[in-house]
Amino acid sequence: QKEVEQDPGPLSVPEGAIVSLNCTYSNSAFQYFMWYRQYSRKGPELLMYTYSSGNKEDGRFTAQVDKSSKYISLFIRDSQPSDSATYLCAMNRNAGNMLTFGGGTRLMVKP
Amino acid sequence: ETGVTQSPTHLIKTRGQQVTLRCSSQSGHNTVSWYQQALGQGPQFIFQYYREEENGRGNFPPRFSGLQFPNYSSELNVNALELDDSALYLCASSLDRGQNNEQFFGPGTRLTVL
Repeated sequence: QKEVEQDPGPLSVPEGAIVSLNCTYSNSAFQYFMWYRQYSRKGPELLMYTYSSGNKEDGRFTAQVDKSSKYISLFIRDSQPSDSATYLCAMNRNAGNMLTFGGGTRLMVKP
Repeated sequence: ETGVTQSPTHLIKTRGQQVTLRCSSQSGHNTVSWYQQALGQGPQFIFQYYREEENGRGNFPPRFSGLQFPNYSSELNVNALELDDSALYLCASSLDRGQNNEQFFGPGTRLTVL
């Protein structure tokens, strides 16, 4: 079993929809949680970075962490076609910043 | 501020050959991490360099090796290439090596092994 699980999708939604992306993890040593967006044939781009359980909001994006359930989410409000990409969750342990990634969820927002 | 750059963009090699990939870190960043991303999968950590020394390694064989230079740029070397080494190789730099330092990724080098 992988340390970080993520539904690969693809997830197809109409423009303007609220998107929910999720990851579960098995190792309670993970303390820092990130969401990256990756367009085709590009490197990952950091979207959100969180530490504690709870919500963090940045524009149309909200990251949610529930450490007790080992579950993290990314919500995208008013989704746009330009949001079409692969979304990767990532996390690291207390020591060092070697990231462990989920497999990515491919999102398609249709006009 | 210059972001993370990688070269070459694409590379085709044959099985058994050796390859060197290069990465220039973002200005002011002293930590570089390398990741391998197979098609349709998330990146997997290869190793990290901090101030020219290896600072952690993932589950990759010794034929994957690296270097970091005094200007904090870095190289990834892979010997005895195998077909499964075909992937996107990503370099990420961060301000420091602590766990609360964000990592910024380059565009990657796409390696194809035939």
